Amino acid sequence: TQLLEQSPQFLSIQEGENLTVYCNSSSVFSSLQWYRQEPGEGPVLLVTVVTGGEVKKLKRLTFQFGDARKDSSLHITAAQPGDTGLYLCAGRDSGGYNKLIFGAGTRLAVHP
Amino acid sequence: NAGVMQNPRHLVRRRGQEARLRCSPMKGHSHVYWYRQLPEEGLKFMVYLQKENIIDESGMPKERFSAEFPKEGPSILRIQQVVRGDSAAYFCASSGRTSTGELFFGEGSRLTVL
Repeated sequence: TQLLEQSPQFLSIQEGENLTVYCNSSSVFSSLQWYRQEPGEGPVLLVTVVTGGEVKKLKRLTFQFGDARKDSSLHITAAQPGDTGLYLCAGRDSGGYNKLIFGAGTRLAVHP
Repeated sequence: NAGVMQNPRHLVRRRGQEARLRCSPMKGHSHVYWYRQLPEEGLKFMVYLQKENIIDESGMPKERFSAEFPKEGPSILRIQQVVRGDSAAYFCASSGRTSTGELFFGEGSRLTVL
């Protein structure tokens, strides 16, 4: 069974601080996505990483896929209150179609 | 709106009633996935459908739950004889023919069972 573990579960920081959240598995994934979800809404795709060692940047967000494609990290620089939300990583199931296995998420609160 | 459309956004049912949740995928997408999310948890896969076919229902409870995606019209997730434990947010996602696993989610249907 493929599982994704995210850490930390909760993170409460002040505006301007940097943070990193992690997504780990013992399984290899062909691709991994990061989503952000706000209360009462559906998850919104932030990025997809496919190649081991890949690094993608989205403004103040930096995403990295581990060399072995078993883990990923999301680093946010100079966090802002608008970054508050639930960050979910999801790996593509090995079954050969677009079924995603989700981690439980990291709930981030950025205080002004 | 070309996004994934779900309705109703909120549904209240009493124990024993039926709940029907509808999902229209993004234009051009023929793959639909249903996920369930409990409070403070991630999303759990339920079922994957293509037009007129259930491809993977490994996450569906064996009883009371069913899903369909007819040739015409939206995909429907049906829960019969609801119990309080069915209270959750149900999300539908769609994808096109992509090899990278990207799903586009609707805003969810929140079911409350009294």
